Order: sequence, then C-alpha cells, then structure tokens
Amino acid sequence: GAVVSQHPSRVICKSGTSVKIECRSLDFQATTMFWYRQFPKQSLMLMATSNEGSKATYEQGVEKDKFLINHASLTLSTLTVASAHPEDSSFYICSARDRARANYGYTFGSGTRLTVV
Amino acid sequence: RKEVEQDPGPFNVPEGATVAFNCTYSNSASQSFFWYRQDCRKEPKLLMSVYSSGNEDGRFTAQLNRASQYISLLIRDSKLSDSATYLCVVNRGGATNKLIFGTGTLLAVQP
Repeated sequence: GAVVSQHPSRVICKSGTSVKIECRSLDFQATTMFWYRQFPKQSLMLMATSNEGSKATYEQGVEKDKFLINHASLTLSTLTVASAHPEDSSFYICSARDRARANYGYTFGSGTRLTVV
Repeated sequence: RKEVEQDPGPFNVPEGATVAFNCTYSNSASQSFFWYRQDCRKEPKLLMSVYSSGNEDGRFTAQLNRASQYISLLIRDSKLSDSATYLCVVNRGGATNKLIFGTGTLLAVQP
C-alpha cells in the first residue's frame, strides 16, 4: 500500500520549454504532497508543499513563477518547470503520506530526471 | 548550520562488520524521525522510523536522544546489499509536517 506514482521518469528538453511532472497517490488520498529537488551528490531539498484545493507553499529561495504547482484533486499534484534552463537540470521527487499509515513515514515517487539542453 | 547534519562518509566496511551512523538536528520542535535509504539515482525508501525508546528491525537498530537532538542507526553483520546512502530525516511538525533531509551518509560494503 501507499504507492506514489511519478511520471515521467526522464525528460530531456530544450532550453526555454516547459516541463510538466505528475505525481499521483494510487491507493490513498493525499491532501498534501511535497516536491523535492536533488542535485548530484547532494541531499533532497524541499521546494514546496502542495495543498489540495489551495495555493502551494514555497520554501525560501524557490521561485513560484518558475515552479508552478497544481494540486487539483486528492490524488494528483503537478509540478511545471516553466521556461526550463540548463541550471534547472536535476532530479525532482514528490512525496506524500497516507495518514492512515502515519508510522510508515512518507512515500516517494520514483523521481523525474530532468535534463535541459 | 544545516537543520539536519550527517557525516557524509563514505564508510567503507567489510562484509559482516558493524557500522554506526550519527545525525544531529537543530530544531528542538521536531516531532518525528526516520532513516531512509537511497540507492544511486533512485528515490529514497523508508528504512525505519526512530522512536525515543529505541527500535530494532532485524540487523538495524535506531535510537533517538531528544535531549541531545541526536539520532543514530546501527547496522550489524553488514551485507553487500546494504551499500547505499542513508538519509537521516526529521519531520518539522506543525501544520504541514515537512520532512527535512540530511545530506546522507554513503556506505560501501566491501566483499
């Protein structure tokens, strides 16, 4: 149980294009999902908290106009990297928690490796 | 100072060895604690939650000292398959329950 599906797993795009990443909770409802970014040999950095039916909360230093988050339903959150540039190349991971299984911690999607050329 | 600090390693140990990882956190209001394992180029996966009373899961033992804001993970009888990065993770608590990750400790178990 508590499966989070993230899609796509890998994206290569040209500089200036926008990329959309989807995160779905498959067997539970997630009122809150989290988006992380991980650069090589670094830890996961929380970018934003996605809240169903309301605006996302962004961490300090993360541009909300650059990283657009939509959490339109209890099972889906999307992250759109607007006008991506090479410095946006990174590993993006979403996570969510099934409140019914709080002691099991947070489940992560399999991640999206974005390469902007 | 980072909110969650770990020794990045790498820890190179032979099979069968016992290895211990330490972690400290700075936010005394943190509510829950976890160890995650991350394999190269993969997502993190929960290894175990950490409780104040200490808890054990097979070869893995986790301990929490709230007074010292210190978390540990002990791996006994290391296997080759234990090679990975071990992430110390702290839940800030509050309304949103944000997870904050340490930089991770790289473990390489040698045959």
